[in-house]
Amino acid sequence: DIQMTQSPSTLSASVGDRVTITCRASHTISRWLAWYQQKPGKVPKLLIYDASSLESGVPSRFSGSGSGTEFTLTISSLQPDDFATYYCQQYNSYLTWTFGQGTRVEI
Amino acid sequence: EVQLLESGGGLVRPGGSLRLSCAASGFTFSSLAMSWVRQAPGQGLEWVSAISGSGGTTYYPDSVKGRFTISRDNSRGTLSLQMNSLRVEDTAIYYCAKSRSVADAFDIWGQGTMVTVSP
Repeated sequence: DIQMTQSPSTLSASVGDRVTITCRASHTISRWLAWYQQKPGKVPKLLIYDASSLESGVPSRFSGSGSGTEFTLTISSLQPDDFATYYCQQYNSYLTWTFGQGTRVEI
Repeated sequence: EVQLLESGGGLVRPGGSLRLSCAASGFTFSSLAMSWVRQAPGQGLEWVSAISGSGGTTYYPDSVKGRFTISRDNSRGTLSLQMNSLRVEDTAIYYCAKSRSVADAFDIWGQGTMVTVSP
């Protein structure tokens, strides 16, 4: 099974900061990685798919990069609406998915 | 509008059973893989089952294999999750989710239904 490890678990930042979250896969997953944002009490929202493709309607301050086993999510200028928990997810295998443990971005 | 609406959650004793449903609308349900994802209180996301568009292929992680069964009725646009031998650790919000292919991100999520397993 492929394991996904995010770092850091919690990140303290200020409005306007550039924020980077890392996700590492235990085995290579090519570019089959997504990033989600989840706010308290809300449903997860897809931000990035295929490692670097921006989902429709997602602000361009969000970007993703990486391939193989190491990936990053970058928020270029943190906005008040961006304080949330972020999850990576791999989908390298047929009908099988694994999430990272999450990174909470707090003020 | 693409929509997923879960139902069937509730309180059940350990060892009991529960059946969740998800009503889909706004897209060609029969052509797309569907999944269930859960989130225990204060915890992260865990994928718990998936089914191909035809319903002929299903997958589960080890944590629920042999206890949970996913199914679909393409004529009615509904997804189901039969949960047997429930454990306290199965307590979570259960979401149904749609992916654009059998190996793709989840682009649409339902609002979730809460399952509580407690003595």
